[in-house]
Amino acid sequence: QVQLQQWGAGLLKPSETLSLTCAVYGGSLSGYYWSWIRQSPGKDLEWIGEISPIGGPRYNPSLKSRVTISVDTSKNQFSLKLTSATAADTAIYFCARGGYDTLYYFDYWGRGTLVTVSS
Amino acid sequence: QSVLTQPPSASGTPGLRVTISCSGSSSNIGSNTVKWYQQVPGTAPKLLIYYNDQRPLGLSDRFSGSKSGTSASLAISGLQSEDEADYFCAAWDDSLSAVVFGGGTKLTVL
Repeated sequence: QVQLQQWGAGLLKPSETLSLTCAVYGGSLSGYYWSWIRQSPGKDLEWIGEISPIGGPRYNPSLKSRVTISVDTSKNQFSLKLTSATAADTAIYFCARGGYDTLYYFDYWGRGTLVTVSS
Repeated sequence: QSVLTQPPSASGTPGLRVTISCSGSSSNIGSNTVKWYQQVPGTAPKLLIYYNDQRPLGLSDRFSGSKSGTSASLAISGLQSEDEADYFCAAWDDSLSAVVFGGGTKLTVL
């Protein structure tokens, strides 16, 4: 059974960089696509982007200028960085399995990390 | 304003059937497959339906999905109290080059 465990800083000041990591347990990260998705306090869901060990990252154009998603196959982990954070980036951030290879359905999810951006 | 449109709320009595609609456009539902997720407050979304009408292994057949043109529906039969949750539809959008979601429908079991 695949499990995703995620972690990262939960409180940021405006202009700081959001940084989260997701570790994959019970399966290999290789051979799949992995995504980051966030949910605003109003419960709106937004796909941030995806990564695969064999393919380059793909980002939501609305966030592309500030997002970097990377993968470390040796640790079976993938990561998200979002620069120049503002209050609008306050959300629960989820890592999930799925992307281009599944035609964008997400079948395994992390528990979510609440990130608050506040001065 | 979400790209996919869902009713904000739905309700039903135990044992009966409820449907939740999801309306999109030619660039998303009209040309790509629809997914449905269930989210109990405080937890991550759970995949219910993929490729318009496919259920993940082990998921109850009380849940079913359908798609027609630029709209899709999720039906839940034999409603149970544990079905009380938020439900989201999703699809890839060719114009936006991103996954788009509905705003979610809060299902209340009366």
